[in-house]
Amino acid sequence: EIVLTQSPGTLSLSPGERATLSCRASQSLSNTYLAWYQQKAGQAPRLLIYGASSRATGIPDRFSGRGSGTDFTLTITRLEPEDFAVYYCQQYGTLPQTFGQGTKVEIK
Amino acid sequence: QVHLQESGPGLVKPWETLSLTCSVTGDSIRNEVYWGWIRQPPGKGLEWIASVYHGGTTYYNPSLKSRVTVSAVTSKNQFSLKLSSLTAADTAVYYCARAGLVVAAPHDVFDMWGQGTMVTVST
Repeated sequence: EIVLTQSPGTLSLSPGERATLSCRASQSLSNTYLAWYQQKAGQAPRLLIYGASSRATGIPDRFSGRGSGTDFTLTITRLEPEDFAVYYCQQYGTLPQTFGQGTKVEIK
Repeated sequence: QVHLQESGPGLVKPWETLSLTCSVTGDSIRNEVYWGWIRQPPGKGLEWIASVYHGGTTYYNPSLKSRVTVSAVTSKNQFSLKLSSLTAADTAVYYCARAGLVVAAPHDVFDMWGQGTMVTVST
C-alpha cells in the first residue's frame, strides 16, 4: 500500500496570501496519478486536481498542482474566504487507492 | 446533473452487519464507470473501502476485504455496501462516489460524491 504524507498539518494564513501544500508518497507514482480534494466542514470532498496538475471542471485557476515521482504540491495563489478548508491528496496509481491525512488551511 | 444519495441506518450494534445503499440519478450504473464507497471516521482522513464496476466486477481494500461485500442493483440504478462484524472503529461517515472517467480503471479519481451518511456503532 502506498502511504501519502501531507505537510504541514495546519496552515494558518490570511485571505489574499499564497498557500503551498505538500504531499509525499512512499513510492513513486506511476503516470503522476495524484489528485487533490477540498473538503469543507460537513461536506463531501470535491475534486480539484487530477493527474498532478490538471484542474477538474469548474475549478478556478488560482488552484494549481505540480510534481512527479514522490513529491507533489498544491498551490492556491490568492486565498479567497471560501478556500479555507481541509485538503487531501489521493494516489490512484494502484489499488488500494489511498489518501493523505489532510492539511487544514485556516484563517490566521 | 449527477446526484448520489446514501441511505441506511445511522446506528448499528457491535458485531452486526451494516447495509448501505447508494441511489444514483443523472447517470446509469450500467455505464462503464466504477461506483465506490469511501469512509471517514470523525475528525480523521479518508479510506477507500471498495468499488463495483458496471458489469459487477468488484474491488476491495485488502484491509477490509474479509468483511465487505459490494454489489450493483441495475434495475434500481443503485449499488450497495455490506460491512460485517462491526466494531466501534467502523464508526464513520460513509460516502458513495463515482470513479473511472480519468483512468478508466478501478483506481481512479472520484469526481462525484454523495453527501455522506453518518454511521455509529454502539450498543
